[in-house]
Amino acid sequence: LAKTTQPISMDSYEGQEVNITCSHNNIATNDYITWYQQFPSQGPRFIIQGYKTKVTNEVASLFIPADRKSSTLSLPRVSLSDTAVYYCLVMDSNYQLIWGAGTKLIIKP
Amino acid sequence: DGGITQSPKYLFRKEGQNVTLSCEQNLNHDAMYWYRQDPGQGLRLIYYSQIVNDFQKGDIAEGYSVSREKKESFPLTVTSAQKNPTAFYLCASSTGGGQPQHFGDGTRLSIL
Repeated sequence: LAKTTQPISMDSYEGQEVNITCSHNNIATNDYITWYQQFPSQGPRFIIQGYKTKVTNEVASLFIPADRKSSTLSLPRVSLSDTAVYYCLVMDSNYQLIWGAGTKLIIKP
Repeated sequence: DGGITQSPKYLFRKEGQNVTLSCEQNLNHDAMYWYRQDPGQGLRLIYYSQIVNDFQKGDIAEGYSVSREKKESFPLTVTSAQKNPTAFYLCASSTGGGQPQHFGDGTRLSIL
């Protein structure tokens, strides 16, 4: 049975790079690893998705090692508006969705 | 403008009453999902549907029911059998599989 583990919370300062890691075992070998951002009282919003190695878009990068047992979301030069909860989402070997418990990121001035 | 619409934003239920939460999407997505989120907690899957007229139970389906008669609509009924229904309910849709999910703004259900 797949399981995900994320840090419960993290603090950082404006302008810094923030890396959030999600550990996940027994995930589907041929499906994506996805990260979402959620603000209070809103639905989660898609940030980035990858299958292996590194993916970069306009807001983040995602690093996935060859064994796919973890993934790291990297947010460059964070601002106060990046304060939110970040979730990883994977699919297990039975193709069931497995959400991480979320990492509450607090950005300080 | 494409997206997912959940209504109402706030809903109150009396003890022993069934209530139905609406979810409509105009993204032409095949898959739709319902999640429950308790304060300070993550998302738990209630039901999902990969195609019209078909749906599967998620991790916490007891006390809930759904229908998928149209591609655009996936209403969730919280029945009186759900003893602790107070929560934030989120609906999502995607093209299926592990593709990105698009979420609505949620419905907050409270017990009177």
